[in-house]
Amino acid sequence: AQKITQTQPGMFVQEKEAVTLDCTYDTSDQSYGLFWYKQPSSGEMIFLIYQGSYDEQNATEGRYSLNFQKARKSANLVISASQLGDSAMYFCAMREGGGSNYKLTFGKGTLLTVNP
Amino acid sequence: DSGVTQTPKHLITATGQRVTLRCSPRSGDLSVYWYQQSLDQGLQFLIQYYNGEERAKGNILERFSAQQFPDLHSELNLSSLELGDSALYFCASSGTGQGNGYEQYFGPGTRLTVT
Repeated sequence: AQKITQTQPGMFVQEKEAVTLDCTYDTSDQSYGLFWYKQPSSGEMIFLIYQGSYDEQNATEGRYSLNFQKARKSANLVISASQLGDSAMYFCAMREGGGSNYKLTFGKGTLLTVNP
Repeated sequence: DSGVTQTPKHLITATGQRVTLRCSPRSGDLSVYWYQQSLDQGLQFLIQYYNGEERAKGNILERFSAQQFPDLHSELNLSSLELGDSALYFCASSGTGQGNGYEQYFGPGTRLTVT
């Protein structure tokens, strides 16, 4: 069974508008974490934001915020005021396990295109 | 720059050959993870080392092996290469796994092409 589901293979947004990238997850663990990574066309994986399952407030990092809805098992990424440089593939990932012994499971990604 | 280094950046080799990919984690990070990214499989976790010990194994083929050395750098060895092994191989590192230590920082990747 797929543990991380990103239902939007591609998304388009106008520059300066906000965009939400969807991510749903499946786990029976009580302690877990959700990540978002950005992969530009150059190929590197850039860490954007992290939300722990016990964090009560939604994580924010600059223009990125994570809309964490635990009961719905969703962890959507919101990018405010999109910029042309935001055009990239975005991956949602889940941490299972803890301490020094854990791995990330990635979704298939959403390709975001920001139009001028 | 994540602080994680990987060499080489590109590797082209023939089927049946063996290659070694190298990774140096961020300063102070004890955990190293290897991932494979291909068009058909997406991003797949291969293996994790923590301070020299193997801690978790994912979808790693028997033809692949890894180790982490006392200086914490890691190597991923791929042998009897097949066309389907062509992929982008990432190394990532993380800290203690507590608080903000869960973030995994990725290296630039090694693009392997098997011809």
